[in-house]
Amino acid sequence: QLQLQESGPGLVKPSETLSLTCSVSGGSTTSGNYYWGWIRQPPGKGLEWIGSIYYSGNAYYNPSLKSRVTISVDTSKNHFSLKLISVTAADTAVYYCARLTRLPLYYFDYWGQGTLVTVSS
Amino acid sequence: EIVLTQSPGTLSLSPGERATLSCRASQSVSSSYLAWYQQKPGQAPRLLIYGASSRATGIPDRFSGSGSGTDFTLTISRLEPEDFAVYYCQQYGNSLTFGGGTKVEIK
Repeated sequence: QLQLQESGPGLVKPSETLSLTCSVSGGSTTSGNYYWGWIRQPPGKGLEWIGSIYYSGNAYYNPSLKSRVTISVDTSKNHFSLKLISVTAADTAVYYCARLTRLPLYYFDYWGQGTLVTVSS
Repeated sequence: EIVLTQSPGTLSLSPGERATLSCRASQSVSSSYLAWYQQKPGQAPRLLIYGASSRATGIPDRFSGSGSGTDFTLTISRLEPEDFAVYYCQQYGNSLTFGGGTKVEIK
């Protein structure tokens, strides 16, 4: 059974960089059938896709966040990571990592439990 | 970017009733790229429907999806107590977006 687990600081100061890692177990990040993605959810609000990455390193980002986001994958450690620079209070959210099934269908079939990141001084 | 508008924002129903949730896209979406999720408080979303009408593994047959083009529907034929939750649609087109969600609450 595939499992994903987010890890990283729960508190980040404004203007600093948010860094999270998603560890994958029970499956491989090198599988060609999937992307690996990040989604966030501000408290009491809806879901927002941040971006996704293929095992080759090709990444795709939400246009609204693209200037601040980098997603990378380390297949040797079977994990992928998120960096979001210049954070503000608006970046406070639960951050989820998830597996995105690719062609011919696109949907997130496995999710991590989520981790709350608060941006505050 | 394709915007998904879900309606109603909140649906107040009783157990046993039928729930009909709408997801409208600002541009045509391939049915292959439309999915639905259920989210309960404090939990990650769970995949219900993919390809607009295919149930994910382990999803009861009271959940069904339909639609094409810009109009998609999630139907719960008879609400069970565990179905009261928030539901999101999601599309993959030139980017990936989620709808704003519909909360199904107990009347």
